[in-house]
Amino acid sequence: DIQMTQSPSSLSASVGDRVTITCRASQGISNYLAWYQQKPGKVPKLLIYAASTLQSGVPSRFSGSGSGTDFTLTISSLQPEDVAAYYCQKYNSDPWTFGQGTKVEI
Amino acid sequence: EVQLVQSGAEVKKPGESLKISCKGSGYSFTTYWIGWVRQMPGKGLEWMGIVFPADSDTRYSPSFQGLVTISADKSLSTAFLQWSTLKASDSAMYYCARLGSGFDIWGQGTMVTVSS
Repeated sequence: DIQMTQSPSSLSASVGDRVTITCRASQGISNYLAWYQQKPGKVPKLLIYAASTLQSGVPSRFSGSGSGTDFTLTISSLQPEDVAAYYCQKYNSDPWTFGQGTKVEI
Repeated sequence: EVQLVQSGAEVKKPGESLKISCKGSGYSFTTYWIGWVRQMPGKGLEWMGIVFPADSDTRYSPSFQGLVTISADKSLSTAFLQWSTLKASDSAMYYCARLGSGFDIWGQGTMVTVSS
C-alpha cells in the first residue's frame, strides 16, 4: 500500500509568517491529493483537492502544489484562526490513506 | 443543503455489539462513495473503509478488515458502521464523509466509548 508521510509533525510560527507543510507519497498518485484542516474539537474540513484546487469558501492564503509523489500546502500569511491540525490524503484508489498530520501553532 | 447526519454518542461495554449510522440528504445518495474515518483521542485521522450505496460495493483498510462491517441502505440514504464485539480500544470519534474530490462533506461525528 502507498504510504503518506507529512512533515513536520508540528510547527510554531508567528502571525503573518509563511508556513509550508509537505506530504510525500511512497508511490506516484498523480494529483489525487487532498488537504484537510481540523481545528481543535471540530470536524475536519476539505481545504484543497486535486493537489492545488481550492475548495469553495477557503481563503486564498491557502495554496497547494505538487504532483506524483511530492506535495506542499502553503499558508501565505498565517492567521490566528489557522491554528489547527492539517492532513493530506490520497484518493486515487483504496486505501484512501491519510498522512499523520501536522499541528500548526502560533 | 448537502449534509451527512450521524447518530448520537454511544456508551457500550466490552463485548457488546454496535451499529452507528450516517444519513445523507440534499444530494443523490447513490452517486457518491461514503467513507468512515476513525480518530482516537488526541490522534490523527485513520481511513477505515468506504461503501458505494448504489450497489453496496465496499472496500476496507487492511487495518480494519475483519474488525468492522460497513454497509449502506440506499432506500434510507444511510450508511452504517458496525462492530460485533467491541473492545476498549474501539473508543474513538467516528466520522462519515462523502467522497467527491476528496472527502468534501463530513458528518458531525459519533463518539463511541467502550468501558466496563
